[in-house]
Amino acid sequence: DADVTQTPRNRITKTGKRIMLECSQTKGHDRMYWYRQDPGLGLRLIYYSFDVKDINKGEISDGYSVSRQAQAKFSLSLESAIPNQTALYFCATSDRTDPDQPQHFGDGTRLSIL
Amino acid sequence: QQQVKQSPQSLIVQKGGISIINCAYENTAFDYFPWYQQFPGKGPALLIAIRPDVSEKKEGRFTISFNKSAKQFSLHIMDSQPGDSATYFCAATSNDYKLSFGAGTTVTVRA
Repeated sequence: DADVTQTPRNRITKTGKRIMLECSQTKGHDRMYWYRQDPGLGLRLIYYSFDVKDINKGEISDGYSVSRQAQAKFSLSLESAIPNQTALYFCATSDRTDPDQPQHFGDGTRLSIL
Repeated sequence: QQQVKQSPQSLIVQKGGISIINCAYENTAFDYFPWYQQFPGKGPALLIAIRPDVSEKKEGRFTISFNKSAKQFSLHIMDSQPGDSATYFCAATSNDYKLSFGAGTTVTVRA
């Protein structure tokens, strides 16, 4: 979904480095999410935010932090990357006024930690 | 521990055939069951969704069947086409935003 843009698309880095993944959206949605995708595990929720001042931990938040800089921007940080954080990361948005609140995903960031 | 169990992990179907993906859940509070389709290099996209007040929902060649008593739901892709080759995820939620995803099924449609 081009309305949800993730940068970078690919990143290779070393253990112990700090990494930031960025997400911006032009959909005007209030809710934003960060997921990681691993083979055989599907997508798991890391953090979600309902607005700039409302941030919540998801299923697997340990080792991650987030920042909601504006309604349209939601970044994910790995303070000290470790190899088992190698995964595909997705940002998603949803609109609380939509009855079913479908989530709209970006095209992901492939992160490799050596 | 995954709250939604999805099977099979992968399947191959001939063009024109039927693809069937099954999901099961335990949490009876779940009240919204979407299916997402993901192509390589892309993020998942909502394909079709159902709420437990109906037993079946059809959109084009895609049908969700829902069995509330068995806590199971499935996706049927009729007349499968090569363009349907993708990974499909079932999901469930009790609050419309905190989705629990299945592990995914990779569907390959052979021409």
